[in-house]
Amino acid sequence: EVQLVQSGAEVKKPGESLKISCKGSGYSFTSYWIGWVRQMPGKGLEWMGIIYPDDSDTRYSPSFQGQVTISADKSISTAYLQWSSLKASDTAMYYCARLDRYCRSTNCHNWFDPWGQGTLVTVSS
Amino acid sequence: DIQMTQSPSSLSASVRDRVTITCRASQNISSYLNWYQQKAGKAPKLLIYDGFSLQSGVPSRFSGSGSGTDFTLTISSLQPEDFAAYYCQQSYSTPFTFGGGTKVEIK
Repeated sequence: EVQLVQSGAEVKKPGESLKISCKGSGYSFTSYWIGWVRQMPGKGLEWMGIIYPDDSDTRYSPSFQGQVTISADKSISTAYLQWSSLKASDTAMYYCARLDRYCRSTNCHNWFDPWGQGTLVTVSS
Repeated sequence: DIQMTQSPSSLSASVRDRVTITCRASQNISSYLNWYQQKAGKAPKLLIYDGFSLQSGVPSRFSGSGSGTDFTLTISSLQPEDFAAYYCQQSYSTPFTFGGGTKVEIK
């Protein structure tokens, strides 16, 4: 079974650093992009960025570029999302998801499946 | 970035109703459109990819249509387990942006 398991909920103070994780199993971790999605309380889904674990090629949404760092350790099939200095506005649920795809000739369709269970990050003084 | 606009943002419907949710892209995205369902307190779940392809295990009452800039998710006969939020997402170019969501509530 393809599965993504995320690290547990975090409560942090503004200015603190944080790294949350997403461990993949049941498939070849280095063959699929992994993405991160933010969901602020009561709001919709926001695409943050993706990483290809085999070579750590990373693409960020302009909205999140410079605000977070996405990384991966292929030796332990784990992707990470980290902050160097948290703000109260970082309070949200964060999901990782595998970017599945199929290609017809040179045209590739991508979608997120499956998703991790989510990591709730609360930033409060 | 490609902007995705969903409508309505919420709707009330009864069991066995036919429900239609629309999604509009700010530019032509061909059929690079996915739909997800998110139940309260849970992670999103893929329903449809490539505009109309039903993900394995998803009931056939769900269907997707459209291409270019205008897309539709239809639930042919709403069931109690379908009350949830629904999101479209374009996968034409990064960032693969989501629509704002549609919350389907019980009438």
